[in-house]
Amino acid sequence: GENVEQHPSTLSVQEGDSAVIKCTYSDSASNYFPWYKQELGKGPQLIIDIRSNVGEKKDQRIAVTLNKTAKHFSLHITETQPEDSAVYFCAASMGTGTASKLTFGTGTRLQVTL
Amino acid sequence: ETGVTQTPRHLVMGMTNKKSLKCEQHLGHNAMYWYKQSAKKPLELMFVYSLEERVENNSVPSRFSPECPNSSHLFLHLHTLQPEDSALYLCASSQGTAYNSPLHFGNGTRLTVT
Repeated sequence: GENVEQHPSTLSVQEGDSAVIKCTYSDSASNYFPWYKQELGKGPQLIIDIRSNVGEKKDQRIAVTLNKTAKHFSLHITETQPEDSAVYFCAASMGTGTASKLTFGTGTRLQVTL
Repeated sequence: ETGVTQTPRHLVMGMTNKKSLKCEQHLGHNAMYWYKQSAKKPLELMFVYSLEERVENNSVPSRFSPECPNSSHLFLHLHTLQPEDSALYLCASSQGTAYNSPLHFGNGTRLTVT
């Protein structure tokens, strides 16, 4: 089955700096890659996703890039703000499957310091 | 109230107790999920219900018993749990079960088994 590895497990950046979280996946058939943000005491929330026919996708200060050849994808957050502090999860699934086939990474705890 | 609501937020139970977790979604979705979240581990899918029918059971021990009486409500009945079952239990819903159906999570029930 699919295996998703996520790095780093913790990340501390100063407000205004950029943050990058990287994930690798094992199954070359995977073609859908969402990112979820989990704030303290809350459930995960989808923040951005990308399909394998797209190399990059942006939404305001967040962007995701995908390298299918290397089987890795990354989340980029620019101009970080204190409210970006949370745990971020990457995930991967095959486009022919169902939502239940999502495989999640182990999470990255992002701390944005003032 | 909107979104996905889980009760109780916290639960402490002995190994011989019987308790139930409740989830209610107000999004009009037709699929509901139970996930287990343990520290430093990926989110683990437990059960999936689509149109009130269980469509997936990921080799979960029988001491966990789900129930979906309608598309808005989901329960997880617990009995004879083990200390290793202590975790955050997350309920989620989605519109359809396609691979790219965004999951909407509740805030979870923090379960401690003593």
